[in-house]
Amino acid sequence: AQSVSQHNHHVILSEAASLELGCNYSYGGTVNLFWYVQYPGQHLQLLLKYFSGDPLVKGIKGFEAEFIKSKFSFNLRKPSVQWSDTAEYFCAAYTGTASKLTFGTGTRLQVTL
Amino acid sequence: DAGITQSPRYKITETGRQVTLMCHQTWSHSYMFWYRQDLGHGLRLIYYSAAADITDKGEVPDGYVVSRSKTENFPLTLESATRSQTSVYFCASRGQTNTEAFFGQGTRLTVV
Repeated sequence: AQSVSQHNHHVILSEAASLELGCNYSYGGTVNLFWYVQYPGQHLQLLLKYFSGDPLVKGIKGFEAEFIKSKFSFNLRKPSVQWSDTAEYFCAAYTGTASKLTFGTGTRLQVTL
Repeated sequence: DAGITQSPRYKITETGRQVTLMCHQTWSHSYMFWYRQDLGHGLRLIYYSAAADITDKGEVPDGYVVSRSKTENFPLTLESATRSQTSVYFCASRGQTNTEAFFGQGTRLTVV
């Protein structure tokens, strides 16, 4: 069965520090990958997505992610986090032949001033 | 208004009662999903639908029923609510392949 793993459950960073959140998926073949963000008390919003092409994907608010097929990974990065980036981050995936979108368990990011 | 809306936003119900959570989208998206969000578990898929009259179980379907008689609506029913079903429920929709899912604002359900 397809699965998505996020190994960092809770990350605490100081403002201006660099961020990298890990995401791994379990299946081969064509895969569509996403990072969503959930600010406190809000619904999920799309940060960035990968369908095909350039494996380095730029998203909103300075986030980017790199798709590494050989490692089944899609890690999220940001060079310099801000206090307003405090949120929960979810990696998600679906294959080209499957309907359902599977999520990782999420990473709670806390940015301190 | 365009988008995906869930109702109610908040609901308190008693154990054993039936409760229905509504989800409506205006994009005519083919796919619709129900997730529950619980601390430590992230989002878990309850049911999904690829089109009207086509539904399928997700990861945690027990105790839930769905229907999709119209493309734009995807209600989720808890037939006999239990305390373990206290959660935040999110509905989502997306178009065909190579598109992202859009989420509703969520319904916070408390079963007492």
